[in-house]
Amino acid sequence: DGGITQSPKYLFRKEGQNVTLSCEQNLNHDAMYWYRQDPGQGLRLIYYSQIVNDFQKGDIAEGYSVSREKKESFPLTVTSAQKNPTAFYLCASTDYPLEQPQHFGDGTRLSIL
Amino acid sequence: SQKIEQNSEALNIQEGKTATLTCNYTNYSPAYLQWYRQDPGRGPVFLLLIRENEKEKRKERLKVTFDTTLKQSLFHITASQPADSATYLCALDMAGGFKTIFGAGTRLFVKA
Repeated sequence: DGGITQSPKYLFRKEGQNVTLSCEQNLNHDAMYWYRQDPGQGLRLIYYSQIVNDFQKGDIAEGYSVSREKKESFPLTVTSAQKNPTAFYLCASTDYPLEQPQHFGDGTRLSIL
Repeated sequence: SQKIEQNSEALNIQEGKTATLTCNYTNYSPAYLQWYRQDPGRGPVFLLLIRENEKEKRKERLKVTFDTTLKQSLFHITASQPADSATYLCALDMAGGFKTIFGAGTRLFVKA
């Protein structure tokens, strides 16, 4: 079955540590997204990528970095510069033309040790 | 400022009744609007998409309306079941844009 796989399901970060969240899709979608979800707030866009080797900052990119070396993979690194990283992180993908729904993974919950 | 609002209070209804969830927005001119379902600890799952030139869209027990004058979408679940209990997210997309704007969601509880 096609879909998006996020790993790990739970992740703990120590002070000053960078951590990387994995996102893999086998839907052959060009566009991929990373969102952050906090209680009582809508999903907020961190980064998105329309095509391999290209990505753009979303609304809350500070303290995060991404890469898009392969079509199926879009890992997110939460750096030590992100002072409030505790949240539920969601990866999504969509196809062209636009006006297609986004397909989401089941998220990674990141907490601070 | 641009805002998308969904009722932050949970909606509690009896099984078999119709659930109606509201999505209001200001200072956006969306080309289309989407509704997603999200279960605890899971990612959102797409339900329905409605375009700006469509008034209503149906899928099985689900119905969505889109009023661009009122800047509002209503999401209805008829003959609701306890399995419909979840959080429902409204999302807006602008024409030609790559960014989808999500509401915070409304939690629905359906009692047997």
